[in-house]
Amino acid sequence: NAGVMQNPRHLVRRRGQEARLRCSPVKGHSHVYWYRQLPEEGLKFMVYLQKENIIDESGMPKERFSAEFPKEGPSILRIQQVVRGDSAAYFCASSPPEQGVVKNIQYFGAGTRLSVL
Amino acid sequence: AQSVTQLDSHVSVSEGTPVLLRCNYSSSYSPSLFWYVQHPNKGLQLLLKYTSAATLVKGINGFEAEFKKSETSFHLTKPSAHMSDAAEYFCVVSDRRSGGSNYKLTFGKGTLLTVNP
Repeated sequence: NAGVMQNPRHLVRRRGQEARLRCSPVKGHSHVYWYRQLPEEGLKFMVYLQKENIIDESGMPKERFSAEFPKEGPSILRIQQVVRGDSAAYFCASSPPEQGVVKNIQYFGAGTRLSVL
Repeated sequence: AQSVTQLDSHVSVSEGTPVLLRCNYSSSYSPSLFWYVQHPNKGLQLLLKYTSAATLVKGINGFEAEFKKSETSFHLTKPSAHMSDAAEYFCVVSDRRSGGSNYKLTFGKGTLLTVNP
């Protein structure tokens, strides 16, 4: 079974451009989470999605950032008009439908490293 | 609110000697605690988890951690370090709020483990 797949692994954008990060969860997983890791920081929760629904976006910046998890296809994290402060590693995680004690185990991808010039 | 403090940003050991990575947590509710490992350019891999069963938790690759409520600690140990253990390690907490979800993981800043031959 393939794990969580993220692409691209590295993304370079100039200020003002758009960045689109993709995440394909583990097969059979219906929950997706996005985290951001700034330099020398731990990962910070951004958003939690289920198929076609945003469950919790309390960690998302109010402007320029959006996320979706359509019925078909990968989850997308979109950053419009990127600025230098958006440079970070963005990690996606997925989990299976809730099954008692294991419901909060998240499986992570290798991340997308975004560099804004 | 939940938080995690990893007491050492960098730990260096010799191959074959014990490993101790320290973690203290703060949680308003019954916590679930995890250790994840991140090898260079790889995704985060779950080493072990504590979810209110046995306080001494055994994980993969010979690692274990002990949940000590009185000390609010969840230190990671291994009796004998191997070169392949060199990586960054993250201590993670999530609250199990009564009647609520527990998906929001809070990460420590990480401890970089170096293993010298």
